Amino acid sequence: EAGVAQSPRYKIIEKRQSVAFWCNPISGHATLYWYQQILGQGPKLLIQFQNNGVVDDSQLPKDRFSAERLKGVDSTLKIQPAKLEDSAVYLCASSARDRLINEQFFGPGTRLTVL
Amino acid sequence: SQQGEEDPQALSIQEGENATMNCSYKTSINNLQWYRQNSGRGLVHLILIRSNEREKHSGRLRVTLDTSKKSSSLLITASRAADTASYFCATALGAGSYQLTFGKGTKLSVIP
Repeated sequence: EAGVAQSPRYKIIEKRQSVAFWCNPISGHATLYWYQQILGQGPKLLIQFQNNGVVDDSQLPKDRFSAERLKGVDSTLKIQPAKLEDSAVYLCASSARDRLINEQFFGPGTRLTVL
Repeated sequence: SQQGEEDPQALSIQEGENATMNCSYKTSINNLQWYRQNSGRGLVHLILIRSNEREKHSGRLRVTLDTSKKSSSLLITASRAADTASYFCATALGAGSYQLTFGKGTKLSVIP
């Protein structure tokens, strides 16, 4: 089966600019996650969707970050305006709705550099 | 916040040796998972162990879980150069929770 797709793979912007990332999860996966991974650290959950509804966005900096998942499939994550500390890899993951197993499948990530 | 803390932060071994990484966490969990991340394949799920399990095997991987000590270990036997990667433990808190909290990872280097 096809994996989680993300684009772009790399993005360089200047601070105060805006940027958007796109994610297409594995077909049929109801749950979608966006993570931020700063260099040298583990991924940190930003937002979790179940179908097209938000389950948890408690760690999403809502003054500058927004995310949506239209029709319960693709998702976009936007940053506006970007700050230097937003430089990180943004990972999208998806999982099937299963009460016993919550293995997550990750995309290749988008490496964002804010200058 | 990051619940899991891996130890050591970095590990360098010769090919063929075994590698052991440890993970400690703070709160009760439903399950604990190990993931591998390298530049070629991104973040990949390796193995999941539930809170009522003590040990699990998958190929050259052996995972243990001690819920009384809130710790887990990942053993990679007969390491290969291709095992060079960062390894993360991730904890899931509740049976109905699909959220994972990752640690900072152990960077493993396997020298040919």
